[in-house]
Amino acid sequence: EAQLVESGGGLVQPGGSLRLSCAASGFTFSASWMTWVRQAPGKGLEWVANIKEDGSVRNYVDSLEGRFTISRDNAQNSVYLQMDSLRAGDTAVYFCTRDRAWNGFDIWGQGTLVTVSP
Amino acid sequence: QSALTQPPSASGSPGQSVTISCTGTSSDVGGYNYVSWYQQHPGKAPKLMIYEVSKRPSGVPDRFSGSKSGNTASLTVSGLQADDEADYYCTSAGTKVFGGGTKLTVL
Repeated sequence: EAQLVESGGGLVQPGGSLRLSCAASGFTFSASWMTWVRQAPGKGLEWVANIKEDGSVRNYVDSLEGRFTISRDNAQNSVYLQMDSLRAGDTAVYFCTRDRAWNGFDIWGQGTLVTVSP
Repeated sequence: QSALTQPPSASGSPGQSVTISCTGTSSDVGGYNYVSWYQQHPGKAPKLMIYEVSKRPSGVPDRFSGSKSGNTASLTVSGLQADDEADYYCTSAGTKVFGGGTKLTVL
């Protein structure tokens, strides 16, 4: 069974950093684009960043202003989101998902909660 | 990135049909046959329900159907059941945004 499991969320102070991890199993991770999506409390889904199969292409939502970095390790079947200079507005549940491009996001993790607060 | 517009709420009684719209532009919804829809129950991860406008992944009931006309895509849920009560989001090729979401209530 295809599965994604996120980890690394928690409480962090404004200006701090956090690194999220997403471990994949049950599908060919190295042949998959991967995307991070977040959801602030009580709000809708927001596309955050994606990364190509080999890591050579990375895209980010404009509003991040260069504070987040997506990366992957195909040997570890994992994708990461390094989050720096965190703000209260980054408080959200962060989901990783397999990005099938034209065919949608077909596998989702359970999410990990990031809370940015003094 | 451009926004996709969904109605904030929709409702129907058990057994009825309800349609949720997703309006974009000719640069996204109208320009590609690659609209997907997601169902999200409270506290859960989203689930892919429709891709490429009208295709259903394995395991999704055929009560869920998708269509598109011009710059507007639609998700129709037929034979409403209590478990269909959830939030629904659309997205499209040509944009890296989701619609604002529609809360479907089964009366």
